[in-house]
Amino acid sequence: SQELEQSPQSLIVQEGKNLTINCTSSKTLYGLYWYKQKYGEGLIFLMMLQKGGEEKSHEKITAKLDEKKQQSSLHITASQPSHAGIYLCGADTYRGTSGSRLTFGEGTQLTVNP
Amino acid sequence: DGGITQSPKYLFRKEGQNVTLSCEQNLNHDAMYWYRQDPGQGLRLIYYSQIVNDFQKGDIAEGYSVSREKKESFPLTVTSAQKNPTAFYLCASTLLAGGQNEQFFGPGTRLTVL
Repeated sequence: SQELEQSPQSLIVQEGKNLTINCTSSKTLYGLYWYKQKYGEGLIFLMMLQKGGEEKSHEKITAKLDEKKQQSSLHITASQPSHAGIYLCGADTYRGTSGSRLTFGEGTQLTVNP
Repeated sequence: DGGITQSPKYLFRKEGQNVTLSCEQNLNHDAMYWYRQDPGQGLRLIYYSQIVNDFQKGDIAEGYSVSREKKESFPLTVTSAQKNPTAFYLCASTLLAGGQNEQFFGPGTRLTVL
């Protein structure tokens, strides 16, 4: 099985709806990074979580890291077409490397219909 | 403006030819990375370098080679030994000091083998 699993693989929502993407690790997470990608482009950094129970928000996107530090969720409130893209989580599962080597999930393709 | 540049954006190669992808950063980052992205498979690490004149194999290094002669540059050569080279290639860089640091990504190079 994958070290880092994202769900769902794809998501289609109506504009204005809320949605959640999950990222589950088989190992302890020392750092969890969320990125967004437009097809054929590079990754744009969204947020990084490090401490169990930590929650961060940027505009209408909120990310949480659970207390056991093995799962993170990304929640978008009142989705807009500009939120469409591929969301990837990247995990630092090596203690003491400070994010110098990440494992990535397979990504979640988000479509927002107007 | 600081950032990571990759060139070319699109690259076509005939079977049996080696090809080199360029990656340059002016962020004064210590570490640089090469990832390969295939549809539905997320990012897989090819090689990474944390210091000049040193680099380590990632998860899928076979058929690839790199060099790190300057801090700013980390070119990737896709050799004829790489059995399935058609993919989207992403370069990234990060600082290593000061705890968890996000990786910054370039715009990518799409390689097609004809």
